[in-house]
Order: sequence, then C-alpha cells, then structure tokens
Amino acid sequence: AQSVTQLGSHVSVSEGALVLLRCNYSSSVPPYLFWYVQYPNQGLQLLLKYTSAATLVKGINGFEAEFKKSETSFHLTKPSAHMSDAAEYFCAVSDRASGTYKYIFGTGTRLKVLA
Amino acid sequence: DARVTQTPRHKVTEMGQEVTMRCQPILGHNTVFWYRQTMMQGLELLAYFRNRAPLDDSGMPKDRFSAEMPDATLATLKIQPSEPRDSAVYFCASGGTSGGTGELFFGEGSRLTVL
Repeated sequence: AQSVTQLGSHVSVSEGALVLLRCNYSSSVPPYLFWYVQYPNQGLQLLLKYTSAATLVKGINGFEAEFKKSETSFHLTKPSAHMSDAAEYFCAVSDRASGTYKYIFGTGTRLKVLA
Repeated sequence: DARVTQTPRHKVTEMGQEVTMRCQPILGHNTVFWYRQTMMQGLELLAYFRNRAPLDDSGMPKDRFSAEMPDATLATLKIQPSEPRDSAVYFCASGGTSGGTGELFFGEGSRLTVL
C-alpha cells in the first residue's frame, strides 16, 4: 500500500525565515503527491500537486515542493515565512497501486511562525 | 462559488444516540470521501465513493458506522449507536476525476461531541 510520512509534528520558524516541511512517501508505482493546508476550524485546501510532470512544483502562496525519486521525498518549502502561513500542513498520496486512487494523508505538521 | 457543504457544523449528543452527518458534494464531482480527524489519529479515511458506488470503507468501524450516497447530490455518514470515542471532526471531500490526479475539495467539517 502507498503511504506518506511527515517528519516533525510541529515546526517553528521566524517570520522571514525559510520554511521546510518534510514528507517521504512509500510507493510501488510512480506516486501522485499533494500538499494541503488547513487553517483553524476549516477544511483542507490544496497547495500544490505532483502528477509526474515537472519535478519542481510551484503552488499557491509562494510554496513549492520538489519530487525526488532517489530520496522518496516531496518536501515543501517557502523561502520566507509570513505570519499568515501559520497552519497545519498535510502531505498526501493518491493510491494508484490499488487502483482505487483513494487519497491517504500524513499525520500533519503544525507550522508556527514567530514574530 | 462551488463548495462542499456539510451539515451539521456542530453536534453534541449523548452516548447511544444515532448521529447522521450529511454532505452535498460539488455538482459534477464523481468521487466523495469521508475522513475523520482527531488529535491522536490525524486524518483517517472512513469511506470512499466513486460514481455513488462505495469503493473502500475499510477504515470504517462496520458495527456502528454506515455511509451511503442516496443520490449524486447527497452523501451521508451515520453512527448508531454513538460512543464518546467517536468525538472528532468529520470531513467530507469531493473530487472531479477518478484518476487520482485531481484536487480534493473539502467541506468545513462536522464537529461531533459524544458525551
């Protein structure tokens, strides 16, 4: 079965600093990978996705992620954190291996931005 | 502005009572997912429908939970009888493709508290 692992349930950065949120995947077939963001008391929103085109994917709000097959990683980055980036971030994989294409989410990383 | 609508937004009930949560997916979307979010377990996939047919409900406790799509505009998740451990936020999400590459659109969630 396909899965994703997010390292670090909590990450704190200073405003203006680099944001790096880690996600590693496990998949027997080329994966479709996603990053979602959840603000308090809201549902999840798509930030960006990788579906086997360019390995560097740009998303909304200045975020980007790079698919690295050799490292089985899909880490999320943003060069300069803003206070409004404080939220919970989820990495997800679409289960192609089973043919169901169900979306499986990681456990989430809560990002705190310090003034 | 198309969105996934969930009702109720909040529900407080006594242990043993029946709870029904409803979801109206975005018109034209053919996949519907139910997730449960808790602090301890994160986002768990409970059920997944494609073209109204259940594809996967392996994450759902079968003895008390049931999920249905009576028609293309309504998905329901029922818990009978409810237990305190069912307290969580339940999210419905819908998607427009069955190939696993598309964005999932989430509702704002139904927060359930079972006393």
